[in-house]
Amino acid sequence: GAGVSQTPSNKVTEKGKYVELRCDPISGHTALYWYRQSLGQGPEFLIYFQGTGAADDSGLPNDRFFAVRPEGSVSTLKIQRTERGDSAVYLCASSLEANQPQHFGDGTRLSIL
Amino acid sequence: GENVEQHPSTLSVQEGDSAVIKCTYSDSASNYFPWYKQELGKGPQLIIDIRSNVGEKKDQRIAVTLNKTAKHFSLHITETQPEDSAVYFCAARSSGNYQLIWGAGTKLIIKP
Repeated sequence: GAGVSQTPSNKVTEKGKYVELRCDPISGHTALYWYRQSLGQGPEFLIYFQGTGAADDSGLPNDRFFAVRPEGSVSTLKIQRTERGDSAVYLCASSLEANQPQHFGDGTRLSIL
Repeated sequence: GENVEQHPSTLSVQEGDSAVIKCTYSDSASNYFPWYKQELGKGPQLIIDIRSNVGEKKDQRIAVTLNKTAKHFSLHITETQPEDSAVYFCAARSSGNYQLIWGAGTKLIIKP
């Protein structure tokens, strides 16, 4: 596909469990971003990758959240010891380069019971 | 840090009329202002953007204006159609920074 792909589209899990969310950016895009969107609000920045490295992780709420992009393409957002407050839509975006427009996937809707 | 305020939160217009959504930002170093359209269950879709060296940009029925002095920018949609119904978000990005700071969104309702 031509767009940003996120899997799974929905994830329901119990409090305390570990989850991984995957993002497949547009081919050739060097920059990748993770955002979190709560109901009725705009997205909030979590982390930005340029290539394989996390250039800005200032938005990660705490050390339970971690993200990787080992080969500079696919990225995985990992959440340990999930809490009910982590429930949200996690959005991934990519751009050709860091100062170019960001294009979003449809997100993963995470529900923590 | 940057703060973006957006209003109105809900806008209802008659089909064929124009719609205007306004945003203000706080960081004078912001230099990039995109607008996104988000439909239910979908991710935000970029519809138009403007950089700080330009005062206005138009793409068919959609236009964006920027007033750097007042630190506000607006989205204008003319000849609205039912498929324009969605939530619209403005955002801002500061020079040297790569994260977008978002407004709270405007739910646009087009009445037939």
